[in-house]
Amino acid sequence: NAGVMQNPRHLVRRRGQEARLRCSPMKGHSHVYWYRQLPEEGLKFMVYLQKENIIDESGMPKERFSAEFPKEGPSILRIQQVVRGDSAAYFCASSPPSGLAGANSYEQYFGPGTRLTVT
Amino acid sequence: AQSVTQLDSQVPVFEEAPVELRCNYSSSVSVYLFWYVQYPNQGLQLLLKYLSGSTLVKGINGFEAEFNKSQTSFHLRKPSVHISDTAEYFCAVSPAGGTSYGKLTFGQGTILTVHP
Repeated sequence: NAGVMQNPRHLVRRRGQEARLRCSPMKGHSHVYWYRQLPEEGLKFMVYLQKENIIDESGMPKERFSAEFPKEGPSILRIQQVVRGDSAAYFCASSPPSGLAGANSYEQYFGPGTRLTVT
Repeated sequence: AQSVTQLDSQVPVFEEAPVELRCNYSSSVSVYLFWYVQYPNQGLQLLLKYLSGSTLVKGINGFEAEFNKSQTSFHLRKPSVHISDTAEYFCAVSPAGGTSYGKLTFGQGTILTVHP
């Protein structure tokens, strides 16, 4: 069973460009979380999604950031008009739905992260 | 809302010595508690978790942690560390219910460095 996949692993963008980060959850997982790790800081929650729904986006910056988790395909974190302060590692995590046999829906599995550098 | 404080940003220790990484939390609701490990340029790996029941939980790689509700602490321990334990360790909490029960709040991290 493949783990959480994120791509690209490294992304370089110039100021003003758009960044798209992709996350494919583990098979059978329907919950996706995005976290950001800024230099010298811990991980901060950004957004929690289930298929086609945003459940909690309390950690998302109000502008330029958006996230989706469509019925088919990976979850996408999109950052428009990037600025240098967006340089960070972005981690995606997934967890199974409640009630899935043998699964613990409170346990999140993390991907390797995408390291975004804005020049 | 929840908050997590990891009391030591860096912990140096010699190989085969015991280690304790300290974590305190605050929350107005019941929480679940977790410890994660992050090796350089990698994602996070779950070491152990406390959901309910016995306050002493055992995880992978010989780590264990004890939940102390009165002191709102969840300290991580290992009786004898190895060089390979060198990594950054994160304590995290999540609400034990509600619509955002999976939302993790992390501490600032503790860098454990094991010296030969």
